[in-house]
Amino acid sequence: KQEVTQIPAALSVPEGENLVLNCSFTDSAIYNLQWFRQDPGKGLTSLLLIQSSQREQTSGRLNASLDKSSGRSTLYIAASQPGDSATYLCAGRDTGRRALTFGSGTRLQVQP
Amino acid sequence: DAGVTQSPTHLIKTRGQQVTLRCSPKSGHDTVSWYQQALGQGPQFIFQYYEEEERQRGNFPDRFSGHQFPNYSSELNVNALLLGDSALYLCASSLGSSDTQYFGPGTRLTVL
Repeated sequence: KQEVTQIPAALSVPEGENLVLNCSFTDSAIYNLQWFRQDPGKGLTSLLLIQSSQREQTSGRLNASLDKSSGRSTLYIAASQPGDSATYLCAGRDTGRRALTFGSGTRLQVQP
Repeated sequence: DAGVTQSPTHLIKTRGQQVTLRCSPKSGHDTVSWYQQALGQGPQFIFQYYEEEERQRGNFPDRFSGHQFPNYSSELNVNALLLGDSALYLCASSLGSSDTQYFGPGTRLTVL
């Protein structure tokens, strides 16, 4: 059974700082991994999706990497802004399954 | 183009009651998944519907049931509500087996 862990649970940084959010998963039979953003009390917005055959994906100031052998993914945010404040969730989809398995998220606060 | 919509936004019920939550998928999408998100946790997969059939189910009791209509909209029904059913219920839609899922804003259920 796939388990996804995110560390740290919360992070506070000053505006402009580059930062890395971590996600680890237990089962290397992962089909893809996604990073989502969730604002308080709201639904999820997909940020980046990495297929198992890929190593990384980039969108604007965001870069996500995937290392199946070590069971790790990272989300890199460059030049953080107060508008980046939100909870960031990673989710894995296993080969042959349709469900996403989510981590508990990292709550990010970017201080102006 | 309307995204995924859910109704109602908030709902308060008492223990033992039954509740029905509704989801309209993004235009053109034929697959609907439901997730339960407890406070401070990541979403947990309940089930997925495709062509009016439950295609996959997570680790939830039979008190949780669903339905998909010919227009692809979906309902989630929960019977014999427990305090622990209090959560944000998220609906996600996708097209067939596409990796990209679009999430709705969720329904906040409070059980007293």
